[in-house]
Amino acid sequence: DSGVTQTPKHLITATGQRVTLRCSPRSGDLSVYWYQQSLDQGLQFLIQYYNGEERAKGNILERFSAQQFPDLHSELNLSSLELGDSALYFCASTPRQEVAAGELFFGEGSRLTVL
Amino acid sequence: GQSLEQPSEVTAVEGAIVQINCTYQTSGFYGLSWYQQHDGGAPTFLSYNALDGLEETGRFSSFLSRSDSYGYLLLQELQMKDSASYFCAVSPGDNFNKFYFGSGTKLNVKP
Repeated sequence: DSGVTQTPKHLITATGQRVTLRCSPRSGDLSVYWYQQSLDQGLQFLIQYYNGEERAKGNILERFSAQQFPDLHSELNLSSLELGDSALYFCASTPRQEVAAGELFFGEGSRLTVL
Repeated sequence: GQSLEQPSEVTAVEGAIVQINCTYQTSGFYGLSWYQQHDGGAPTFLSYNALDGLEETGRFSSFLSRSDSYGYLLLQELQMKDSASYFCAVSPGDNFNKFYFGSGTKLNVKP
């Protein structure tokens, strides 16, 4: 157990809908990363927050947005969902602004299925 | 930009040694990490190399050559439970807040 909690674990929805994925980082970690992993694909970096502020953006679609709240939990909002958005969405945390010594702590992921 | 290249799949037998390579191109570089992911599971950190050379952690070792922009993960005394996907990852020099993963290498360990 990494200490990173993601909810929901599974989510099934329809095209055009909007969903919110939630992540609670490890106690004391200030930085949250979001990744998308489509079937049998690699981990695509979406966005990173540090202590409530967006610090880095990756390949995140305009239909997607995220935020980190004062209690450090983070939410990833996916709107106007398309079939291709079906994927595992991972949240990861780390204590510092950058990934010190290359180590990120991952949650178990939220599996989104868009029908 | 950045790119990380790994073989898509490797097969080896139980008890053998296998090497998974990673070549990277980034605008600046801090270090190379390796992660393991079992099917449907969370990626877990294995090792990190900031300097050239070999780092050993039990049955797993990781190597880095900064001049060649190349690294590898070496798994010894393979066990069935080592069947998983392995990813290399880097922070690019233009923004150390970013953290990119390669496409992953699926390791199949056969009895």
